[in-house]
Amino acid sequence: DAGVTQSPTHLIKTRGQQVTLRCSPISGHKSVSWYQQVLGQGPQFIFQYYEKEERGRGNFPDRFSARQFPNYSSELNVNALLLGDSALYLCASSETGAGFADTQYFGPGTRLTVL
Amino acid sequence: AQSVTQLGSHVSVSEGALVLLRCNYSSSVPPYLFWYVQYPNQGLQLLLKYTSAATLVKGINGFEAEFKKSETSFHLTKPSAHMSDAAEYFCAVSEREYGNKLVFGAGTILRVKS
Repeated sequence: DAGVTQSPTHLIKTRGQQVTLRCSPISGHKSVSWYQQVLGQGPQFIFQYYEKEERGRGNFPDRFSARQFPNYSSELNVNALLLGDSALYLCASSETGAGFADTQYFGPGTRLTVL
Repeated sequence: AQSVTQLGSHVSVSEGALVLLRCNYSSSVPPYLFWYVQYPNQGLQLLLKYTSAATLVKGINGFEAEFKKSETSFHLTKPSAHMSDAAEYFCAVSEREYGNKLVFGAGTILRVKS
């Protein structure tokens, strides 16, 4: 079975632009979470979606938004990009997303560079 | 609030030597704890997780971790390091109150010398 897939792999944008990152979860998984990993740090939680509803949000500004589609895939949007948004964006899927013991499976990430 | 501290941003061991990566957590309730590994330019792969069933948890690739409540620790060990173990390792915690959210430590880069 395919794992979590993300697109694009790499992306270069300039300050002030907008970006959309995409994620397809493992087949049968209904929850998707997004994390930001800045170079040299651990991943930071951005959002969790389950059954198209937002279930959790991390300490990120409103420039960050996301949504989940009926097929459980997800998009992360970032508006008005700043240099500090340069990071590896990781998507993780889990079966239910309803429990804190739910194992999350991560995709390879999208490397965003903001110039 | 949850937090994770990984002692040592870099650890270097010789091939065949014991690997010990340290993780301490802060949690107001019994946590669930995870170790993930990240190879260069890749996502995170789950090594093992603690879910309160047993304090000694065995994972993939010969790794194991022991949950010690009194020390609020969840250190990762492997008896004999292999060159392929060179990667970055992350400890993470989740709590019932926060649902699916994982809180990660800053990571430890493991270097294996031949």
